[in-house]
Amino acid sequence: ETGVTQTPRHLVMGMTNKKSLKCEQHLGHNAMYWYKQSAKKPLELMFVYNFKEQTENNSVPSRFSPECPNSSHLFLHLHTLQPEDSALYLCASSQLLATDNEQFFGPGTRLTVL
Amino acid sequence: DQQVKQNSPSLSVQEGRISILNCDYTNSMFDYFLWYKKYPAEGPTFLISISSIKDKNEDGRFTVFLNKSAKHLSLHIVPSQPGDSAVYFCAAVIQGAQKLVFGQGTRLTINP
Repeated sequence: ETGVTQTPRHLVMGMTNKKSLKCEQHLGHNAMYWYKQSAKKPLELMFVYNFKEQTENNSVPSRFSPECPNSSHLFLHLHTLQPEDSALYLCASSQLLATDNEQFFGPGTRLTVL
Repeated sequence: DQQVKQNSPSLSVQEGRISILNCDYTNSMFDYFLWYKKYPAEGPTFLISISSIKDKNEDGRFTVFLNKSAKHLSLHIVPSQPGDSAVYFCAAVIQGAQKLVFGQGTRLTINP
């Protein structure tokens, strides 16, 4: 248990569906992240939120829409996805300005787009 | 262009022996490096880190070595235990930038 939870753990959706991934951190951190891990590729940073404000969008297609209502919760809204979007989506959190740069990861949501 | 590379997708080591996992980077601006460990169906968990002002950091059975001139770091696990079987990721960051850049990972298998 890292203090970061993600739901659902598995998700299968069609290309016309709309779904949302949820992340919650119980660590009192003020920064949250979405990462994507595709098969045989490194983890790729998608979005960064500091104090619930988006500070980085790593050229992510608009079919992925993040939302951060407060410092503890992060959502990733999905719509009209493509099969190549199938991947493991990981949420992470950290404390801004911490000297160790450590990010704490949730268990991930395994997404399959049919 | 991949800035952090782990060129060995897999490594198999006998229990009790030393495991050495390698990582190379290209961006000389990186000044902090982390190793994460990932079990199946779990997220990556932090293992050990090193700042560029050091060339070695040790924590129990785990030691990370940094060679800045070669832009290379390695993780040593000794003695290796069956519970160490996992995928290991190295990551690099520019201090204060928040953006961790990960390698592809190395799957370590410890054989009894």
